[in-house]
Amino acid sequence: DTAVSQTPKYLVTQMGNDKSIKCEQNLGHDTMYWYKQDSKKFLKIMFSYNNKELIINETVPNRFSPKSPDKAHLNLHINSLELGDSAVYFCASSQALNEQFFGPGTRLTVL
Amino acid sequence: KQEVTQIPAALSVPEGENLVLNCSFTDSAIYNLQWFRQDPGKGLTSLLLIQSSQREQTSGRLNASLDKSSGRSTLYIAASQPGDSATYLCAVPVSFNDMRFGAGTRLTVKP
Repeated sequence: DTAVSQTPKYLVTQMGNDKSIKCEQNLGHDTMYWYKQDSKKFLKIMFSYNNKELIINETVPNRFSPKSPDKAHLNLHINSLELGDSAVYFCASSQALNEQFFGPGTRLTVL
Repeated sequence: KQEVTQIPAALSVPEGENLVLNCSFTDSAIYNLQWFRQDPGKGLTSLLLIQSSQREQTSGRLNASLDKSSGRSTLYIAASQPGDSATYLCAVPVSFNDMRFGAGTRLTVKP
């Protein structure tokens, strides 16, 4: 059983478009996250969502907006995509600040 | 400000060797520390999580230690195998919106 799943696995789109990445966890965790891994493989947290409270990393542009329809889902919407948004995006979940489990990643390429 | 450093950046060993990967952090007031492995093009797989009150954790051939006072954690891999080849990352949560990752150690185990 997949613990944290993401769709799509690959996403290729034109600059200026709006796109979404979906994430689901079946672990019953109360906290979900979105991370960005850049071309240098460095991982940086973008958002965390805990008990209906969204915590945003201040460096994330407001073109990025996470939406959580329920506790098991945290989708990432990106408006007006830019070249610099090309990266691998990972969803993760945990129970509070305990062990985090990651999804397989979504490779976004903006042309 | 918490900073996480991993040394070495890359390591190549022959199969069967025991090896140690290092992780250091600047602020000793950590909640826990987690070790992950990442295979090329894949997501992160959680290996071990050490709570701040623990000194070590073991899982199979892996043993992780934590010394908060010196700001260090080590991941010991016994009897390395080619399948252990991957990038190993350590991470510490700073808050709900801040998880600091090291840059990783890329391990190659040669048959």
